[in-house]
Amino acid sequence: AQSVAQPEDQVNVAEGNPLTVKCTYSVSGNPYLFWYVQYPNRGLQFLLKYITGDNLVKGSYGFEAEFNKSQTSFHLKKPSALVSDSALYFCAVRDVRYSTLTFGKGTMLLVSP
Amino acid sequence: EAGVVQSPRYKIIEKKQPVAFWCNPISGHNTLYWYRQNLGQGPELLIRYENEEAVDDSQLPKDRFSAERLKGVDSTLKIQPAELGDSAVYLCASSRQAFEETQYFGPGTRLLVL
Repeated sequence: AQSVAQPEDQVNVAEGNPLTVKCTYSVSGNPYLFWYVQYPNRGLQFLLKYITGDNLVKGSYGFEAEFNKSQTSFHLKKPSALVSDSALYFCAVRDVRYSTLTFGKGTMLLVSP
Repeated sequence: EAGVVQSPRYKIIEKKQPVAFWCNPISGHNTLYWYRQNLGQGPELLIRYENEEAVDDSQLPKDRFSAERLKGVDSTLKIQPAELGDSAVYLCASSRQAFEETQYFGPGTRLLVL
């Protein structure tokens, strides 16, 4: 079975400060890892993914994430937060052998002016 | 390219009534997914189609839920009869093929069962 944990229900950060949204995963094989963002009354928008290769993945809107196999983590980061980054962020994992994507519960990011 | 299209965006019905959701995937995407997202939770897969074949429906409550994907393009998800616990957002997603890495999501249909 595969699973994802997002330990923080909410992350608060001031505009201009760096942000981190945490994600840890569990799969029996090698993982494909994803971050999606959801704005109110909108579907999920793809941000970035880790498939293989460089552990630091760069994605849309200045976000990046670092794959750490030993810690089974895939934390989402951004050097300087914007108020418009405020949204619900989901981490997801898929075992490379299967097609099913498993999502975490989501972390609400609130960026204050 | 155009994204995944879903309709309706919102639906309010009384319990025991039927309801249907429609999805048009991104052109050329062979794999289509239906997810349910309960309040405060991440999406959970209901069913996955490869072209017109349902290849993973293990999480679909088959006593009241049904889905079809005629001609391997558009898909419809139906609930009959709806229960209060079915209130959720129903998301459709598509990808080029089953093991394509990235799934692209539509805006979802928010269902409220009274």
